[in-house]
Amino acid sequence: SAVISQKPSRDICQRGTSLTIQCQVDSQVTMMFWYRQQPGQSLTLIATANQGSEATYESGFVIDKFPISRPNLTFSTLTVSNMSPEDSSIYLCSVEDYGVYQETQYFGPGTRLLVL
Amino acid sequence: AQTVTQSQPEMSVQEAETVTLSCTYDTSESDYYLFWYKQPPSRQMILVIRQEAYKQQNATENRFSVNFQKAAKSFSLKISDSQLGDAAMYFCAYRTQLQGAQKLVFGQGTRLTINP
Repeated sequence: SAVISQKPSRDICQRGTSLTIQCQVDSQVTMMFWYRQQPGQSLTLIATANQGSEATYESGFVIDKFPISRPNLTFSTLTVSNMSPEDSSIYLCSVEDYGVYQETQYFGPGTRLLVL
Repeated sequence: AQTVTQSQPEMSVQEAETVTLSCTYDTSESDYYLFWYKQPPSRQMILVIRQEAYKQQNATENRFSVNFQKAAKSFSLKISDSQLGDAAMYFCAYRTQLQGAQKLVFGQGTRLTINP
C-alpha cells in the first residue's frame, strides 16, 4: 500500500491563527481525503481532494475555514483557518490505493492539533 | 444516508482468548464495501480487514475474520488468540460503490482492552 506522511505531526496554536497541514504520498493517487477526529470521537470526512479540480466539501465544512490545495498527484494541504479551541482535533489524510486492495483507503499518521 | 453503529463502546478479553466486536449498518444499496480499522494509541488508522458486499465468503486475515450477514446488515469482527498488541480502538466503516462518493462512513468505535 501507499506510504503516507503528514507534517506537522502535532502542533499547539493560538486562537485566531491558521495552520497548514501537509500530506505527502509516495505514489501517484487520484483520490485524497481529509478527515477530522475530535477528542474521543470517530472520524468525519471534511473534504475530498482531486488533482486539478476544486475540493468537494461535506456538509458542515466550508472552504473559507478549511481551504485545501491539491497541486499534483502526490501532495495535498489542508489549512485550518482562524482557529478556535473547538478545532482541537486530529486531522488525517487518506488515499485510495489500487494496489493490493482496490477501493480501499489508507491513512497517514495524523496531525494532532491543540488550539489554546 | 448510510449509517454505521457500533453498540459496544468498550470490550475486554483475556490474552489468547477470542473476542467479537459488533457492527451494524444501514443502507439501501446492494453493492458496497465494509472495513474494520484499528487505531492504537499512536492514532495511526490501520486497515485490519475488508469485505465486498457481493462476496458471500467471509473475509479472513490471519487471526482476524468477519461474520458478514448482508440481509441483517451486520458485520462483526472476530479476533482469535488475542494478543497485547491488539489493544486499540476499532472502527467499522462503510464505503459506497457509487463513483464520486467514495467517502468512508465510520461507526463510533469500540475500545478493546487485552488483559494479560
